[in-house]
Amino acid sequence: KQEVTQIPAALSVPEGENLVLNCSFTDSAIYNLQWFRQDPGKGLTSLLLIQSSQREQTSGRLNASLDKSSGRSTLYIAASQPGDSATYLCAVNPGRGSTLGRLYFGRGTQLTVWP
Amino acid sequence: DAGITQSPRHKVTETGTPVTLRCHQTENHRYMYWYRQDPGHGLRLIHYSYGVKDTDKGEVSDGYSVSRSKTEDFLLTLESATSSQTSVYFCAITETSGGASYNEQFFGPGTRLTVL
Repeated sequence: KQEVTQIPAALSVPEGENLVLNCSFTDSAIYNLQWFRQDPGKGLTSLLLIQSSQREQTSGRLNASLDKSSGRSTLYIAASQPGDSATYLCAVNPGRGSTLGRLYFGRGTQLTVWP
Repeated sequence: DAGITQSPRHKVTETGTPVTLRCHQTENHRYMYWYRQDPGHGLRLIHYSYGVKDTDKGEVSDGYSVSRSKTEDFLLTLESATSSQTSVYFCAITETSGGASYNEQFFGPGTRLTVL
């Protein structure tokens, strides 16, 4: 069974810092990996999707990398802002057979960016 | 926005009563999922569907059943609610484009269920 771990569990930084959130997974045979953001009491917002054949994806101040062989992904947030405060979730899609599309989630990194 | 709505958004019920949660999507997506989110466990898959009348179990399916009689609706039923089923329930869809090689997943706003 795929297990997904996110480190650190919580992070508190001043505004303007560049951040790295880490995600590791136990089975490297993945189909894709997706990063989400969740605000308190809200649903999940998809941030970035990396296919297994890709090394990285970028969207604005966010950059996600994938090293499938070592079972790792990182989410890099440049020039953090208080509005980035949220929980960030990493999810892996094993993409095999009838389980195509189901996700295995990490428990998230709770990020606080203070002014 | 993948056009996903969930109803009800909040519900309080008593132990032993049946509860049905509804997920509705407007964009004809084939794959739909039900997850629950609990502190200390993260999000876990309950059931999923890969077409009308085609459903399968996830990792925490005990005590839950699902039905999908139309593409747009995926229903989750707690036959006899228990306090351990107090949770936030999320519906999701997989958006495919360019064949099966895309598969980005989008989530609904969630239903907060409390079982007393």
